[in-house]
Amino acid sequence: GAGVSQSPSNKVTEKGKDVELRCDPISGHTALYWYRQSLGQGLEFLIYFQGNSAPDKSGLPSDRFSAERTGGSVSTLTIQRTQQEDSAVYLCASSLGDNNSNQPQHFGDGTRLSIL
Amino acid sequence: AQSVTQLGSHVSVSEGALVLLRCNYSSSVPPYLFWYVQYPNQGLQLLLKYTTGATLVKGINGFEAEFKKSETSFHLTKPSAHMSDAAEYFCAVRLSGAGSYQLTFGKGTKLSVIP
Repeated sequence: GAGVSQSPSNKVTEKGKDVELRCDPISGHTALYWYRQSLGQGLEFLIYFQGNSAPDKSGLPSDRFSAERTGGSVSTLTIQRTQQEDSAVYLCASSLGDNNSNQPQHFGDGTRLSIL
Repeated sequence: AQSVTQLGSHVSVSEGALVLLRCNYSSSVPPYLFWYVQYPNQGLQLLLKYTTGATLVKGINGFEAEFKKSETSFHLTKPSAHMSDAAEYFCAVRLSGAGSYQLTFGKGTKLSVIP
């Protein structure tokens, strides 16, 4: 079956522009996560969605970052007024419902974002 | 709160030699532990996980790991390295119990396999 799909795979943009990153989770997975992977900081949690519950946004680094998940499936991570420190690989993961937190998270291949 | 320490950002082994990648964690409650592998320009692939039960867990590609509570460790091993094992490996911890979902990752260990 299909895994987690992310698009675009690469994005280059100028400082100050807005970008949108898309994640299509595995069918049937109600939990969705965004992480950021950068050279200096390693892998960092950004945001978590579970079903229709309010998302946990505690990992978002600034108010320039936001995310939504429409219809409990596809998610979009938006970065406004991009800065050079936003350059990183943004990884999306999904898992089965959080009734049992031992379910592993399955990752997409990521979007490599470069801010010029 | 939880944290993960991976000893050695780079490890080199000869083809056919033992692979040992070290992971120590700290956690306020019993943890769930995971090892992921990342190949260049790809996402993370789950190698194995420990949740409850048997402390020696076997994963894909011949890897295994042992949960040692007394040592707060979850080291990853493979008896004989193959060239295709060259990749970056991440240890991750997640708190057990309802409402815990965030993975906390170590900094990663890049494994090189020398022919």
